[in-house]
Amino acid sequence: DGGITQSPKYLFRKEGQNVTLSCEQNLNHDAMYWYRQDPGQGLRLIYYSQIVNDFQKGDIAEGYSVSREKKESFPLTVTSAQKNPTAFYLCASSIGTGTNTEAFFGQGTRLTVV
Amino acid sequence: SQQGEEDPQALSIQEGENATMNCSYKTSINNLQWYRQNSGRGLVHLILIRSNEREKHSGRLRVTLDTSKKSSSLLITASRAADTASYFCATDTGRRALTFGSGTRLQVQP
Repeated sequence: DGGITQSPKYLFRKEGQNVTLSCEQNLNHDAMYWYRQDPGQGLRLIYYSQIVNDFQKGDIAEGYSVSREKKESFPLTVTSAQKNPTAFYLCASSIGTGTNTEAFFGQGTRLTVV
Repeated sequence: SQQGEEDPQALSIQEGENATMNCSYKTSINNLQWYRQNSGRGLVHLILIRSNEREKHSGRLRVTLDTSKKSSSLLITASRAADTASYFCATDTGRRALTFGSGTRLQVQP
């Protein structure tokens, strides 16, 4: 089955810890994205990557880091610098930016600070 | 930045009725897309309308786009309880990632 997979589904983080959220796609898409969603809110862009070995900051990149070493993988690290990390994190991919095509989303990771 | 803003924020209707959601945005776009999200799940793409299109249909969905007013509407006809979800518009400028609005929460009562 082609698709985009996020893991884990639920993640608990202690204060001061870094955690990494996984996102893998087998759709052969060039572009990948990370969004954050707070309860009852829309999606805010954290980082995006248009091609392997390249990524750009989104609107709320502070306290987050990413890498894009492989086309199919775009992990997100939530660092201890992110003061309010509790949220629902969504990864997406698309054929590419500017291609007039839709994005495909994973099922999300719910991160809670304990 | 929230490029798209949906209206209303919440909508409750009876099964069989039509549901209309509106989206306004601020800058020029290549296309506008509508997505659906069931509670606690990822988003699912519904329909894409390009900037040179005015109306598009897909099953029970009808989308309109007015680029002069920078607005779009999503109409779901003959709604079903299974249509209960949040609906988001997203704008594509072709330069970066999609920008999403805050969504409309639709409740369809059986």
